[in-house]
Amino acid sequence: AQTVTQSQPEMSVQEAETVTLSCTYDTSESDYYLFWYKQPPSRQMILVIRQEAYKQQNATENRFSVNFQKAAKSFSLKISDSQLGDAAMYFCASDSGYALNFGKGTSLLVTP
Amino acid sequence: NAGVTQTPKFRILKIGQSMTLQCTQDMNHNYMYWYRQDPGMGLKLIYYSVGAGITDKGEVPNGYNVSRSTTEDFPLRLELAAPSQTSVYFCASSYSPSGVFTGELFFGEGSRLTVL
Repeated sequence: AQTVTQSQPEMSVQEAETVTLSCTYDTSESDYYLFWYKQPPSRQMILVIRQEAYKQQNATENRFSVNFQKAAKSFSLKISDSQLGDAAMYFCASDSGYALNFGKGTSLLVTP
Repeated sequence: NAGVTQTPKFRILKIGQSMTLQCTQDMNHNYMYWYRQDPGMGLKLIYYSVGAGITDKGEVPNGYNVSRSTTEDFPLRLELAAPSQTSVYFCASSYSPSGVFTGELFFGEGSRLTVL
């Protein structure tokens, strides 16, 4: 079974600081996508960033960027200049060819 | 701009009762999904559909049934509800042209189900 592992159940960061959330994955697909989703207390799942595995360049969306290490099957999310609104659960997900496999999530706390 | 709409948002069931969670999307997406989310466990795939008339089991299908008679609708049926089915359920959809999965899922707001 394909798996996604998030080894940090909880993380904390101060406002304006930078935090990195870790994710490793296992997939049998030769070409695939990786995602980070954010789930605030409202429960809505919000796409943060997407990486296509065949692209060597790391994806960036404003304050969010990834460090994609294909050989190591690692896909970490870096949040720069953290804001109070970044507080949420963050889920890493990998593509199984027809659906997404999700990790267990990392709860991010942002302190003033 | 409705996107993916799930109803109801909350429901309490007694053990042994049945119910249907409704899901509809207005984006003409061909792929649709049902996931459940339990505390500390991430999202687990229950069933998915790659188009009208086609459904398949995910990781945790036991106790559930689905149908996909139209592109827009993908209801999830719970038969003989059990406490283990207490969870938050998410419907999602994806546009995958020519059957090639592109990965991005669009989610509904979730339905919290409690079985007592």
